[in-house]
Amino acid sequence: KAGVTQTPRYLIKTRGQQVTLSCSPISGHRSVSWYQQTPGQGLQFLFEYFSETQRNKGNFPGRFSGRQFSNSRSEMNVSTLELGDSALYLCASRPAGTGSLSAYGYTFGSGTRLTVV
Amino acid sequence: GNSVTQMEGPVTLSEEAFLTINCTYTATGYPSLFWYVQYPGEGLQLLLKATKADDKGSNKGFEATYRKETTSFHLEKGSVQVSDSAVYFCAPAGGTSYGKLTFGQGTILTVHP
Repeated sequence: KAGVTQTPRYLIKTRGQQVTLSCSPISGHRSVSWYQQTPGQGLQFLFEYFSETQRNKGNFPGRFSGRQFSNSRSEMNVSTLELGDSALYLCASRPAGTGSLSAYGYTFGSGTRLTVV
Repeated sequence: GNSVTQMEGPVTLSEEAFLTINCTYTATGYPSLFWYVQYPGEGLQLLLKATKADDKGSNKGFEATYRKETTSFHLEKGSVQVSDSAVYFCAPAGGTSYGKLTFGQGTILTVHP
């Protein structure tokens, strides 16, 4: 069974540009979450999607946005990139349904390493 | 929402030593508790979990017990190996923060031969 796939693995962008990151969850998983990992702030929750709807959002500026498609694949977008957006962006998926979080936890992808120069 | 305080690192041990990484949490409701591990250059892997008070999660020789009275979920291993060198994260999820994992700052473990 394929894991969570994130593309691209590495990305270098210039300040002011925008970027789109992609995440394909495990087949059958309908909930997708995104996390940002930096040395200074650690792992921070960005948002969670289920059935194409954002269910939960972390404390990030509006430059960070996401969406989920009908096949559960998800994208996140960061506009007007800043140097501080350099981070490892992790996507995680889980089956939906009552009790799935406690039963299965989240499965993470390998992440996209974004460098803003 | 949930919050977590994790033992400061880095932790350096010799092979076959006993490992404890402390984790305490604050949560409203009844969260599930997770330990994740991150090897260099990789994403997070679920190491073990516990879903209710007094549950013991275990995997690959690691154990952690959900202690509701002390709001703790300490990670232990009786005999560490060099291959256990990684960063370990404690994370409650659920309760009133449903669907969101709240991570501790991570504990870097280095095991020397």
